[in-house]
Amino acid sequence: GAVVSQHPSWVICKSGTSVKIECRSLDFQATTMFWYRQFPKQSLMLMATSNEGSKATYEQGVEKDKFLINHASLTLSTLTVTSAHPEDSSFYICSASTSSGNTIYFGEGSWLTVV
Amino acid sequence: LAKTTQPISMDSYEGQEVNITCSHNNIATNDYITWYQQFPSQGPRFIIQGYKTKVTNEVASLFIPADRKSSTLSLPRVSLSDTAVYYCLVGDMGAAGNKLTFGGGTRVLVKP
Repeated sequence: GAVVSQHPSWVICKSGTSVKIECRSLDFQATTMFWYRQFPKQSLMLMATSNEGSKATYEQGVEKDKFLINHASLTLSTLTVTSAHPEDSSFYICSASTSSGNTIYFGEGSWLTVV
Repeated sequence: LAKTTQPISMDSYEGQEVNITCSHNNIATNDYITWYQQFPSQGPRFIIQGYKTKVTNEVASLFIPADRKSSTLSLPRVSLSDTAVYYCLVGDMGAAGNKLTFGGGTRVLVKP
């Protein structure tokens, strides 16, 4: 199947700093990517839809100024957590769909720990 | 997107068949049914997808009745490594920008 890769797999940052997570579609172009966050033993929660060449669409309750999303190319979307706080510590997962659009593939996920 | 309902958890034993049923009463005409498997600290992994009737691949089967208001994922002869959370999602994946919303999933525990 199609491959979606995230980097870094895990990151620790200090409170108040910003951290960037990358999501790449390795063998296909993705005009749309999605960002999720997941707390332990909970389901995935959709944060935003990342559209190549345009602004991201955020879900209700997600602060767009805190979670900056950039989708500058057809194979890369980035999520930047700005002014991170301990409560932002979570598992962040991205996904992308193939050109046929019928299947969505997920990245490996990125653990963020804010200390 | 159609809302889905799955059992919260299921226990099974090695070598048994596991069947997980998902209800999606509001499924739309263009919606596909897709199942994902997720291990702790990993992203969801695609298992199988179908539109109607039965679909089978090397790891699972998916049964979809004619009214498409439910679907059943069948895992034959499970092993300990099949312990995971299984998510049923429905949606028109082909629609530009269509998003997937996850339900609670089913936590499957395979015992020796």
